[in-house]
Amino acid sequence: QVQLVQSGAEVKKPGASVKVSCKASGYTFTDYYIHWVRQAPGQGLEWMGWVNPNSGDTNSAQSFQGRVTLTRDTSISTAYMELNRMTSDDTAIYYCARVPGGFNYYLDYWGQGTLVIVSS
Amino acid sequence: QSALTQPASVSGSPGQSITISCTGTSSDVGSYNLVSWYQQHPGKAPKLIIYAGNKRPSGVSNHFSGSKSGNTASLTISGLQAEDEADYYCCSFADRNTWVFGGGTKVTVL
Repeated sequence: QVQLVQSGAEVKKPGASVKVSCKASGYTFTDYYIHWVRQAPGQGLEWMGWVNPNSGDTNSAQSFQGRVTLTRDTSISTAYMELNRMTSDDTAIYYCARVPGGFNYYLDYWGQGTLVIVSS
Repeated sequence: QSALTQPASVSGSPGQSITISCTGTSSDVGSYNLVSWYQQHPGKAPKLIIYAGNKRPSGVSNHFSGSKSGNTASLTISGLQAEDEADYYCCSFADRNTWVFGGGTKVTVL
């Protein structure tokens, strides 16, 4: 069965970086884009960007450009999201999610989420 | 790239129908029939309930339905049930190969 398993919770100081992993199983990793979405406490979902695991191509929301790096390691079917220069506003649950193959534009499987707390 | 506009809350009694609107622009909802809807219960990851505007994934109840008119997409929940109480988010494909979510709507079953 399809699974996206994310790394554990992190606590970081302001100005630091975090790297969250998302390990895929149950399907061919390189056939499906991975997106990253975050949710601040008590707030809504915010789209961050995507990575094409096959080519390594990425795109991100303008609000994160220059601060987020999306990568993947096809040898271990894992996608990564690294966020730099964090502030308390980056405290959130970070989710990875999969887009089905073909010309599809929805997120059919989600990881369990990774809580990132930014605090001095 | 602004978030899509959703009402903060909608409520209804069991058995009633409710509709949640999701208003975007000609850069997202208005130009692409690629709106998806997600249901999120407290402490859980979002779950896909509608994609491509009005299609339901396998296993999702047919009392969820979607539609679109102009720059506004809508989710209708017919025959409201207690387990429908959750947060609902719309999401649209947008220009420059980006995506955008709505602010979310809290559905309360009275």
